[in-house]
Amino acid sequence: NAGVTQTPKFRVLKTGQSMTLLCAQDMNHEYMYWYRQDPGMGLRLIHYSVGEGTTAKGEVPDGYNVSRLKKQNFLLGLESAAPSQTSVYFCASGQGHSDTQYFGPGTRLTVL
Amino acid sequence: EDQVTQSPEALRLQEGESSSLNCSYTVSGLRGLFWYRQDPGKGPEFLFTLYSAGEEKEKERLKATLTKKESFLHITAPKPEDSATYLCAVRRVGNQFYFGTGTSLTVIP
Repeated sequence: NAGVTQTPKFRVLKTGQSMTLLCAQDMNHEYMYWYRQDPGMGLRLIHYSVGEGTTAKGEVPDGYNVSRLKKQNFLLGLESAAPSQTSVYFCASGQGHSDTQYFGPGTRLTVL
Repeated sequence: EDQVTQSPEALRLQEGESSSLNCSYTVSGLRGLFWYRQDPGKGPEFLFTLYSAGEEKEKERLKATLTKKESFLHITAPKPEDSATYLCAVRRVGNQFYFGTGTSLTVIP
């Protein structure tokens, strides 16, 4: 089992460019989450999904969109990147009722 | 406003010197409190979930406890490999999770 994987590991964007971060899990989990982690701020929830075809907003959803077309994948999109979106992005998955979240290794994104 | 505060921000211990990390929280409709360990450049790794005041859980040198307003992560006789950042998080009614900023623990041999 690979667990939770994230693609890419690193990325540098220019302001206004778009990109998609991919999260994949092989544990058949229903719930998936996207977080960002910034120094001094802790992890903040961007969007989450409680099942295939569903998405919901978290604490800091502005500037991001998500899709969950397949149960094992959760995509995070930035339509027009801004320097304020420079961060480390973590994906997590969980079985919902158990509450335990399993995190991926993260994607370090820099927006110039 | 839902809030999670961890203290201290950083802690340096000699190997074998026991101590505690604190996580205080204000959240409406608490559905669980979680402890994670995070090593540099990696994602958080799950340690414990606590659901009700008075609950305790142990794993090796770590013991987590919960009251109505705070949680403690007790580290007994720590080793250098326990060095990491320890994160506390709470889940409120629904699926909203709120994380603290973490305590960076360094254990010196």
